Amino acid sequence: GQQLNQSPQSMFIQEGEDVSMNCTSSSIFNTWLWYKQDPGEGPVLLIALYKAGELTSNGRLTAQFGITRKDSFLNISASIPSDVGIYFCALDTGGGNKLTFGTGTQLKVEL
Amino acid sequence: ETGVTQSPTHLIKTRGQQVTLRCSSQSGHNTVSWYQQALGQGPQFIFQYYREEENGRGNFPPRFSGLQFPNYSSELNVNALELDDSALYLCASSLTASNEQFFGPGTRLTVL
Repeated sequence: GQQLNQSPQSMFIQEGEDVSMNCTSSSIFNTWLWYKQDPGEGPVLLIALYKAGELTSNGRLTAQFGITRKDSFLNISASIPSDVGIYFCALDTGGGNKLTFGTGTQLKVEL
Repeated sequence: ETGVTQSPTHLIKTRGQQVTLRCSSQSGHNTVSWYQQALGQGPQFIFQYYREEENGRGNFPPRFSGLQFPNYSSELNVNALELDDSALYLCASSLTASNEQFFGPGTRLTVL
């Protein structure tokens, strides 16, 4: 099946720092999704990307759909303690919300 | 508006038993998808229900089965439980299959 490689696996950063994580796939897809999962909760959609080269922001979060359509990046600017959690990229590999998720990037923020 | 709810929150079963997990979709959402999330992994798609019919299935054996009811709530049934079935089971609902999915908090299943 489709594999999504997400890196880094975990990050431990200082409050106020910028964060960058990325995701690559072995195939071309038309939609990239970025989710965040807090402990004891289900994933929450942060940003959806539908077009190669697209750059989309949601507050301090910015995500880009790579030109090759095989990768995507998520950046968080000026991190704060509530940014702690696990970030997942996902692709709609089955059509109609049948998602394949990456392995996740765990973000820890030091005060 | 009530979000997606799941019950129970936690469950402990022994190998070989059967389990039923329940999901109430967000109001008006006719599509429900189920995912399995093993510890330290991303969620894996199990299957999806649309208007009471199965609408796609991931790479899971037949002992994973489901139902969707006329009110669009859903059940996930797992027979002959194995140790590797220990995971967080997530349910997600959407207005249609092409709209954003909203996830519930999950049911943590432990198989001993």
